[in-house]
Amino acid sequence: DAGITQSPRHKVTETGTPVTLRCHQTENHRYMYWYRQDPGHGLRLIHYSYGVKDTDKGEVSDGYSVSRSKTEDFLLTLESATSSQTSVYFCAISHPDSTYEQYFGPGTRLTVT
Amino acid sequence: GQQLNQSPQSMFIQEGEDVSMNCTSSSIFNTWLWYKQDPGEGPVLLIALYKAGELTSNGRLTAQFGITRKDSFLNISASIPSDVGIYFCAGPTSSGGGADGLTFGKGTHLIIQP
Repeated sequence: DAGITQSPRHKVTETGTPVTLRCHQTENHRYMYWYRQDPGHGLRLIHYSYGVKDTDKGEVSDGYSVSRSKTEDFLLTLESATSSQTSVYFCAISHPDSTYEQYFGPGTRLTVT
Repeated sequence: GQQLNQSPQSMFIQEGEDVSMNCTSSSIFNTWLWYKQDPGEGPVLLIALYKAGELTSNGRLTAQFGITRKDSFLNISASIPSDVGIYFCAGPTSSGGGADGLTFGKGTHLIIQP
C-alpha cells in the first residue's frame, strides 16, 4: 500500500468556518492531488501539485485553496465552508514511473452544517 | 471538459456469474485506467491500459482498450463476494498526461446477491 494518510478522517463544521485537510505521504512522490467525491459525480479534481510550492487548479477549484511547503504534505483549505462542500475528500499521489497511475488515501468525510 | 460515461450504473448479479461493464468518451484517450472502491475506502488501481486494442488481465479481471480509443471494457469472471464495490474508469484530464489529474466516470456499482 502506498504510504498516504489523511487527517482528519471525519469532520463536522459550521457554515462560514475555515477548514484545513491534510494529506501526508511517505513515498517522496512529486505529484499530489485533491479530489472530491459526491453521489452521482464520481471523483472530481480540485487542485493538484507538481512539486513544492507548485500547484494548479482542477475542475472544481472554486472555494478551495492548497499549499505544499514540503514534498510530503499537501494541504487543502476551505476558507469559508459552505454546505455544498459537504463531501468525501481524497488525496492521491502519482506512481513515480507513470503519472497516470494514481494511488489514493483513505479519504476525509467532511460535513458542513 | 472531458466526460466519461459508464454503464451500467449498477449491476445485481449472482455469485459465480461473469460481469461486463464499459466506459465511453466523446474524445480520444491515450490511457485508460480502471479503479475499484470498497465502501469507506479510497479507490484502488486495478488495471492500466496504454495502447489501442490492448487486452490486459489481473487475475479474474480483464480490461480492453477500445480500437477507437474512445472506449474501454472491464470483465470480471466468476464473481465472488469480495468483488462488491464501485468500479470507476478514468483517463488523463488533458493531453499533458495524468500529471495534471484524472477524469473519472461516475462508476458502476456491483452488487452480488447470495
